[in-house]
Amino acid sequence: EAQVTQNPRYLITVTGKKLTVTCSQNMNHEYMSWYRQDPGLGLRQIYYSMNVEVTDKGDVPEGYKVSRKEKRNFPLILESPSPNQTSLYFCASSSRRASSSYEQYFGPGTRLTVT
Amino acid sequence: AQSVTQLDSQVPVFEEAPVELRCNYSSSVSVYLFWYVQYPNQGLQLLLKYLSGSTLVESINGFEAEFNKSQTSFHLRKPSVHISDTAEYFCAVRGSSYDKVIFGPGTSLSVIP
Repeated sequence: EAQVTQNPRYLITVTGKKLTVTCSQNMNHEYMSWYRQDPGLGLRQIYYSMNVEVTDKGDVPEGYKVSRKEKRNFPLILESPSPNQTSLYFCASSSRRASSSYEQYFGPGTRLTVT
Repeated sequence: AQSVTQLDSQVPVFEEAPVELRCNYSSSVSVYLFWYVQYPNQGLQLLLKYLSGSTLVESINGFEAEFNKSQTSFHLRKPSVHISDTAEYFCAVRGSSYDKVIFGPGTSLSVIP
């Protein structure tokens, strides 16, 4: 089954404690992206990756890091989480081939609370 | 810079009535346009998209959207809604020549029995 998986689904942590949210896709997609969803703001792109070892900032990259060492994985790293990073996070992937529909496939989400 | 506006944050509508969810965008380059739907406690899934060609696009569950380049709009319509259409709807824009994606703030559609 084609899917994007995220772990953990729920996480409560304290300010300053480093954490990683994993994202994996099994569709051989070149493009992967992280979003945060906040009430009234919709989804805002944090970082995206066009392919292995190629990443770029989205609209809200401050306080986050990413890496793309393998095509299927795109972890999101919070080196020193703060309460304003409490949010619902989504990972997504899509094909970048010219014949594709550019549709993004979303993971189930990770609800992060930073106290 | 690109931006997406969804003017209605909440739209209540009676079952079997028609509905229109508005989306306007701004961009200096050619774009691809998408509508995604998010059912309660779920991730997003694609509803329909415009890449090129016919400006009227349809989904399998009765929604349609029309790309209007002059008005920079991509409004979503359905002639008769069902209870199961209750969800959050997001309009999104992606440049045809680059990979950054911009989402609108979303419209919460509530279908009233």
